[in-house]
Amino acid sequence: AQSVTQLGSHVSVSEGALVLLRCNYSSSVPPYLFWYVQYPNQGLQLLLKYTSAATLVKGINGFEAEFKKSETSFHLTKPSAHMRDAAEYFCAVCPRNTGFQKLVFGTGTRLLVSP
Amino acid sequence: DVKVTQSSRYLVKRTGEKVFLECVQDMDHENMFWYRQDPGLGLRLIYFSYDVKMKEKGDIPEGYSVSREKKERFSLILESASTNQTSMYLCASSGGQASSYNEQFFGPGTRLTVL
Repeated sequence: AQSVTQLGSHVSVSEGALVLLRCNYSSSVPPYLFWYVQYPNQGLQLLLKYTSAATLVKGINGFEAEFKKSETSFHLTKPSAHMRDAAEYFCAVCPRNTGFQKLVFGTGTRLLVSP
Repeated sequence: DVKVTQSSRYLVKRTGEKVFLECVQDMDHENMFWYRQDPGLGLRLIYFSYDVKMKEKGDIPEGYSVSREKKERFSLILESASTNQTSMYLCASSGGQASSYNEQFFGPGTRLTVL
């Protein structure tokens, strides 16, 4: 079965530092890949998605992610963290070989940003 | 913009009560989903529906049922609430198979406490 692993339940950075949140998937066929963000007491909001058009995907709020097939990874990055980036981030996959849009989510990574 | 709304942001119920969580989307989406979110476990799929009156079990359906009488509305029912159902419940919707690469749009969530 399809699965996704997010390494690190918590990541702490200083304001202005690089943000790197890791996501690895298990699949022999590259799936559709997503990053969602959840701010406190809110639902999930789509940051970006990979659909095979380009391996480097740019999203909202200055985030981007690179699909690396050889590493089965889809890590999320942002060059310079801002206080407002403090939130929980979820990586999700959707297999391409199924006719139905069922997402499988990682367990989430909470990003803490200190001044 | 896609809007997914949930009937309550916070709900407190007693053990044994029947609980209804309502979700409405305004984008004519075929697919609707119910997840529960618990710390360290990410999002887990309870039930989903790909058409009116159609429903499928997700990964953790035990103790829950659903109803979809109209395309825009998807209800989650806890027949007899128990304390281990205390959680955040998230509703999501997505378009048909041919659209938007399976992106799901989320509601704000209902935080349910069962005493």
